Amino acid sequence: DAGITQSPRYKITETGRQVTLMCHQTWSHSYMFWYRQDLGHGLRLIYYSAAADITDKGEVPDGYVVSRSKTENFPLTLESATRSQTSVYFCASSEKKADSPLHFGNGTRLTVT
Amino acid sequence: AQKVTQAQTEISVVEKEDVTLDCVYETRDTTYYLFWYKQPPSGELVFLIRRNSFDEQNEISGRYSWNFQKSTSSFNFTITASQVVDSAVYFCALSERGNYGGSQGNLIFGKGTKLSVKP
Repeated sequence: DAGITQSPRYKITETGRQVTLMCHQTWSHSYMFWYRQDLGHGLRLIYYSAAADITDKGEVPDGYVVSRSKTENFPLTLESATRSQTSVYFCASSEKKADSPLHFGNGTRLTVT
Repeated sequence: AQKVTQAQTEISVVEKEDVTLDCVYETRDTTYYLFWYKQPPSGELVFLIRRNSFDEQNEISGRYSWNFQKSTSSFNFTITASQVVDSAVYFCALSERGNYGGSQGNLIFGKGTKLSVKP
């Protein structure tokens, strides 16, 4: 099906472990984004990518790594998970800058114990 | 700095009441875009509307309407005759200015307003 899919939907991991959240889109959108949603903070940008092999930091990048070797995939890796990274993570994509709406995946709820 | 403020954290109304969700933004850009998203209890984020800074016409879509006023930097959202299915968190967002000017494609979100519509 066309769209943007995230996996897994739910993940529980332990402090210190590495975990990767996957994001795949079938629209061939140039732009992709990772946000985290926390109570009281709304959505905050972690990283974004304007095209394959081009990534840049957002508002809260510390502790996260991204890559974009293919246009359709934008995985987010927590290198050494901490409890403060317990959150709901949303991946999004858009066709172009400024006036294009972001299309979001259904989110990944990550719990770090 | 760019910022979006949704001062109403939670609103509760009874079905069929009209309700307005406030959104105030800050930006030094002359060209920018504003958005509203809906997040129902199921958790997904649904795009509702996009408005550019040069178009101050109000927009109506069924029971939804949006009032954009540059003079007050506001982009308010009204639901007429609310229904239980309107219960959700609503986010207002602003296109983010890049370091070198222009948009970088990202959106700056307000913290959201949780709307509860009771039968």
